[in-house]
Amino acid sequence: AQSVTQPDIHITVSEGASLELRCNYSYGATPYLFWYVQSPGQGLQLLLKYFSGDTLVQGIKGFEAEFKRSQSSFNLRKPSVHWSDAAEYFCAVGAGNNDMRFGAGTRLTVKP
Amino acid sequence: ETGVTQTPRHLVMGMTNKKSLKCEQHLGHNAMYWYKQSAKKPLELMFVYSLEERVENNSVPSRFSPECPNSSHLFLHLHTLQPEDSALYLCASSQRLASVTDTQYFGPGTRLTVL
Repeated sequence: AQSVTQPDIHITVSEGASLELRCNYSYGATPYLFWYVQSPGQGLQLLLKYFSGDTLVQGIKGFEAEFKRSQSSFNLRKPSVHWSDAAEYFCAVGAGNNDMRFGAGTRLTVKP
Repeated sequence: ETGVTQTPRHLVMGMTNKKSLKCEQHLGHNAMYWYKQSAKKPLELMFVYSLEERVENNSVPSRFSPECPNSSHLFLHLHTLQPEDSALYLCASSQRLASVTDTQYFGPGTRLTVL
């Protein structure tokens, strides 16, 4: 079965600094990969997804992620973080049907 | 109202109570999901419904009982819960079932506390 690891439980960056959130997956076939964001008191919102094709995926709110098969990774990046980006970020891997597995999340704090 | 809504947003209940969580989606989707989000643990898929039929039950205890009267509404009936059931319960919907490529849209969740 597929699984997801987000190695960083909590990350703090300064506003305006660049951001990279790590995600490693385990799955035997080509995975479907997702990044979701959850603001306090809110549900999850899809930032971006990768199914096939170009390994660099652009999402909403200025985020992008790169699929690296050799490293089994799908790291999320943003060149310049805004205070409103403070939230919890979840990576997920899907294996067909509705079987989607989520990571435990990375909480992002943005310093002024 | 648009998207996926959930009520109540917060619920405190005793172990002997019976309560229900409600989810409504205004997106015309055919599949609906219940997830459990506990602190410091990955999201756990509990139930999946497609066109009002339950298609997945991920070994969820019988004290959780889902109901899907139509494709827009999903309930989670709770009875004789345990303190470890305290969590955020999220509802989601997607256009189709059996297609992980369809984006799941999430509601804001119900924060449940079991005393």
